Amino acid sequence: ETGVTQSPTHLIKTRGQQVTLRCSSQSGHNTVSWYQQALGQGPQFIFQYYREEENGRGNFPPRFSGLQFPNYSSELNVNALELDDSALYLCASSHSNEGDTQYFGPGTRLTVL
Amino acid sequence: EDQVTQSPEALRLQEGESSSLNCSYTVSGLRGLFWYRQDPGKGPEFLFTLYSAGEEKEKERLKATLTKKESFLHITAPKPEDSATYLCAVQAASGTYKYIFGTGTRLKVLA
Repeated sequence: ETGVTQSPTHLIKTRGQQVTLRCSSQSGHNTVSWYQQALGQGPQFIFQYYREEENGRGNFPPRFSGLQFPNYSSELNVNALELDDSALYLCASSHSNEGDTQYFGPGTRLTVL
Repeated sequence: EDQVTQSPEALRLQEGESSSLNCSYTVSGLRGLFWYRQDPGKGPEFLFTLYSAGEEKEKERLKATLTKKESFLHITAPKPEDSATYLCAVQAASGTYKYIFGTGTRLKVLA
């Protein structure tokens, strides 16, 4: 059984640029959630996709957007990058959106200069 | 407002010195409580899921328990390889399906 994978591992961007992060969910999982984790903090929920539809959103501005594809893989897009967007971005997949355990990928470390 | 508070923020133990980590939560109906272990720069690794008060789960030196207001992660006779940040998260029974995480407990086990 393949676990959750994310790409790229690390990324350096400058303020104002746009970035796309990718996630492949664990086999058999139809739900993907994205989180932002600043240094020394717990992960903060960005949004969740269930069967290709956005299923819930945290307190993040519209410049954070996402997609889920028919194979349940997902993308996180961030426009107009700001310095505070520097963080570890985590993707997690689960069997469904109701109470099931979420399994996390290794994360993408984004640095905005 | 749904909230998770973990204590202590940091904990140093000698190898073999048992202890407990606390996760207090306020949520409008609990769908599930989750414990993860996170090593520096890596994604959280799943440990336990608890759904109802009174439930307990065990894995090697770790045991998780749940009440209506808090959860404990008991570590028995820890080893240096147990050093990590331990994260607690809850999912509410209503609203969005997000996980709400605490800020974690940084555990250091000394040989």
